[in-house]
Amino acid sequence: QQQVKQSPQSLIVQKGGISIINCAYENTAFDYFPWYQQFPGKGPALLIAIRPDVSEKKEGRFTISFNKSAKQFSLHIMDSQPGDSATYFCAASMSGGSNYKLTFGKGTLLTVNP
Amino acid sequence: GAVVSQHPSRVICKSGTSVKIECRSLDFQATTMFWYRQFPKQSLMLMATSNEGSKATYEQGVEKDKFLINHASLTLSTLTVTSAHPEDSSFYICSARPLAKNIQYFGAGTRLSVL
Repeated sequence: QQQVKQSPQSLIVQKGGISIINCAYENTAFDYFPWYQQFPGKGPALLIAIRPDVSEKKEGRFTISFNKSAKQFSLHIMDSQPGDSATYFCAASMSGGSNYKLTFGKGTLLTVNP
Repeated sequence: GAVVSQHPSRVICKSGTSVKIECRSLDFQATTMFWYRQFPKQSLMLMATSNEGSKATYEQGVEKDKFLINHASLTLSTLTVTSAHPEDSSFYICSARPLAKNIQYFGAGTRLSVL
């Protein structure tokens, strides 16, 4: 049973465009929702994260939108750049539960064309 | 801050040998460390969770005698792949969770190739 569903599987965006990646979760006990960026051959890097008490969080060109009632959250990358080309993973965890294990989505391969 | 160092970054070994991978939190104490395996173009698969001074908790289907985990201090965890075989070839990644925080920081990963 996949608890975090991520879409699309791949995404191609032109430079300067907006990249949008969506995730949906099932477990209402999740209270921490991070996004990770992974370049080939490297470990994932924490990009931005949100908790369910806010509906949006922005850090630079990256914004997370969170809809608690719909159990969905999304990553928006504004003014996408070729250097943003990477695989993005959404994840979810619950504080104190199971040692804070992360449940990952399957990932989205983002390609930003120059 | 929040740097996790993983070593080695790449290792090639012969079938039947054992390989040890180290994961260190450089600037924070890690209550919990996690070990993942990642196949090409796939998501991260959690192998085990380790808490300092305790036995690791392995996910279903992961052989504990094959993948030995030691978490001897709040800054160091090791994964030993025992009697490695070609099917163990993969990308192994560790992560560390700081004390009293629900955040995981990842190492750069180790590419294991078993010949």
